[in-house]
Amino acid sequence: DAKTTQPTSMDCAEGRAANLPCNHSTISGNEYVYWYRQIHSQGPQYIIHGLKNNETNEMASLIITEDRKSSTLILPHATLRDTAVYYCIVRVLTGNQFYFGTGTSLTVIP
Amino acid sequence: DVKVTQSSRYLVKRTGEKVFLECVQDMDHENMFWYRQDPGLGLRLIYFSYDVKMKEKGDIPEGYSVSREKKERFSLILESASTNQTSMYLCASSFLSPDRSGYTFGSGTRLTVV
Repeated sequence: DAKTTQPTSMDCAEGRAANLPCNHSTISGNEYVYWYRQIHSQGPQYIIHGLKNNETNEMASLIITEDRKSSTLILPHATLRDTAVYYCIVRVLTGNQFYFGTGTSLTVIP
Repeated sequence: DVKVTQSSRYLVKRTGEKVFLECVQDMDHENMFWYRQDPGLGLRLIYFSYDVKMKEKGDIPEGYSVSREKKERFSLILESASTNQTSMYLCASSFLSPDRSGYTFGSGTRLTVV
């Protein structure tokens, strides 16, 4: 099962882009990369997911390297409300499980 | 608005009690999951189910059991609660196919066993 590696914590200035990296070097060809975030005392919230191509939605952009061994979540204009723990997850097709690590704690600084 | 609803936000139980945590989803999702979350350990999968009456063990099933009698409902059971089961419990659901959507999580149940 592909697992992920993320930095423990990051800071970002308000209004700047937040770039959160994730390593998933053992990912299989048909496994998707998902990103979630968890604001304190709430359940995790879905942000975005992708397979090979870069993806963008109203919340964020997902950049996946060509070899698919790593990805970056981009919050283009971070706000204080983006302070949260961000989880990068690879979807395991057999068993339909998501494996959550400890994520990256992002702090947006005024 | 689609949602996953967990029956209790906060729960306090005594050691040795049988505890039921209920989760209901209204999205017709095939998969349902129970996680626990502890500081420094992230989310850990307890059990999941991909169909009615089907269940699979996650990473930490010991001390827990589950029940899925209807598609929309997935129950987590602590047969004899212990203090080391004090934790935040999160229920989630998803479609079977990973390209349709991710998980939708409930708000969590903070269980304290005294």
